[in-house]
Amino acid sequence: GAGVSQSPSNKVTEKGKDVELRCDPISGHTALYWYRQSLGQGLEFLIYFQGNSAPDKSGLPSDRFSAERTGGSVSTLTIQRTQQEDSAVYLCASSQPGSPLHFGNGTRLTVT
Amino acid sequence: LAKTTQPISMDSYEGQEVNITCSHNNIATNDYITWYQQFPSQGPRFIIQGYKTKVTNEVASLFIPADRKSSTLSLPRVSLSDTAVYYCLVGEAHSSASKIIFGSGTRLSIRP
Repeated sequence: GAGVSQSPSNKVTEKGKDVELRCDPISGHTALYWYRQSLGQGLEFLIYFQGNSAPDKSGLPSDRFSAERTGGSVSTLTIQRTQQEDSAVYLCASSQPGSPLHFGNGTRLTVT
Repeated sequence: LAKTTQPISMDSYEGQEVNITCSHNNIATNDYITWYQQFPSQGPRFIIQGYKTKVTNEVASLFIPADRKSSTLSLPRVSLSDTAVYYCLVGEAHSSASKIIFGSGTRLSIRP
């Protein structure tokens, strides 16, 4: 079956531009997570959606970062006015109660 | 959320058994121990989860002592393809009711 799909797989953008990263979770999964992973580092939690509840945004590093989840399915992570330190792999995961996280392969963002 | 401590890196050889230990001194009564594996350019994937004593599946074994303040992931007869980063997490079993925090993981390198 289809897993978690992220697009684009790679994104190169200029400093100061806005970017949108997309995540298509596994159908029926109520929870959706965004993480950021810098080269050689662990996963940094960004934001978590669970059903219709208010998202947990406690990991977003600045107000330039925002995320939406429309209709309880697709999610978009938006980074405004990108900076070079935003360069990383952005990973999305989804899950349903009682099951482990299923990750996509990420979007590699490079800010030049 | 219980904090975990695990070695930054480990090296081993093909055919050996590898044991990666994770410390979680302030684990809560309801917490489970979960391990994920991450290959380069991929998102992490679930390996194994346990609450106490021993759990075994086709990939690994998980040993948890009675005090549950640590756990050991055991990989039997490793191969080059087991080279990956291994993350130890502590929290409610596959809970999608709260955010899930990953640490820095253990980078395992297998040599011929």
